[in-house]
Amino acid sequence: DIVLTQSPALTVSLEQRATISCKTSQNVDNYGISYMHWYQQKPGQQPKLLIYEGSNLASGIPARFSGSGSGTDFTLTIDPVEADDIATYYCQQSKDYPRTFGGGTKLELK
Amino acid sequence: EVQLVESGGGLVQPGRSLKLSCLASGFTFSNYGMNWIRQAPGKGLEWVASISSSSSYIYYADTVKGRFTISRDNAKNTLYLQMTSLRSEDTALYYCARGITNKPFAYWGQGTLVTVSS
Repeated sequence: DIVLTQSPALTVSLEQRATISCKTSQNVDNYGISYMHWYQQKPGQQPKLLIYEGSNLASGIPARFSGSGSGTDFTLTIDPVEADDIATYYCQQSKDYPRTFGGGTKLELK
Repeated sequence: EVQLVESGGGLVQPGRSLKLSCLASGFTFSNYGMNWIRQAPGKGLEWVASISSSSSYIYYADTVKGRFTISRDNAKNTLYLQMTSLRSEDTALYYCARGITNKPFAYWGQGTLVTVSS
C-alpha cells in the first residue's frame, strides 16, 4: 500500500502563507501525471476537492490555493490564509489500489 | 447540480448486517465509477470500496474485504454497500463519492452514520 504522511497540525497567522506537505512511500506519478489530490474538510462537513493531479485547481476554488510537487513529495499552499480556510486538509493518491489518504493536517490560527 | 444522498445508517449490534444506499442525481450515473469512503469519529478518511461504471471492476480495502459488498443499480441511479459481520471498528460516517479510474473524488455526499455497538 502507498502510505501518505502529513504533519498533524500547522499554526499560521491570517494573511500569511500556509504550506502543507504530503510525502508518499512510493512514486505516485505515471506518464507525466501526478495522481495526488488535496481535500479540505471543515467540522461537520464532507470533504471538498481543492487540487487534483498535483497542481490543478478544482472548479470554484479560489486562486489562493495551489498545489505543487511530483513523485513522492507534494505541497498544498494557501496564500494568503483567510479565516474561512481554518479546516483539516487531506492528501490522497489515486495511482494504485487501495486508494489511500494522508492522516490530515489541521490548520490552526496563531 | 451533482447530488449524492446517502441513507441506511443507524445503530446495529456487532455481528449484524446493514445496507447503505446512495442516490445520485445531476449527472449520468452510469458513466461514472463510484466509491465508499468512511470516517471514524474524530479520525481521518479511509477509502472502503470502489466500483466501475458497469460494475466490471470492484476493489475493497483489506479491512472490509469478505464482509462488505459494493454494488450499483444504474437504472435506479443508486450505489449500495452491503455490510455484514459488523465490528465496533466499522463505526463511522460513510460517504459515497464520485470518481472514475485514476481521477479524484470530485463529489461527496453528506454521509450516513453507522454505529456498531451492543
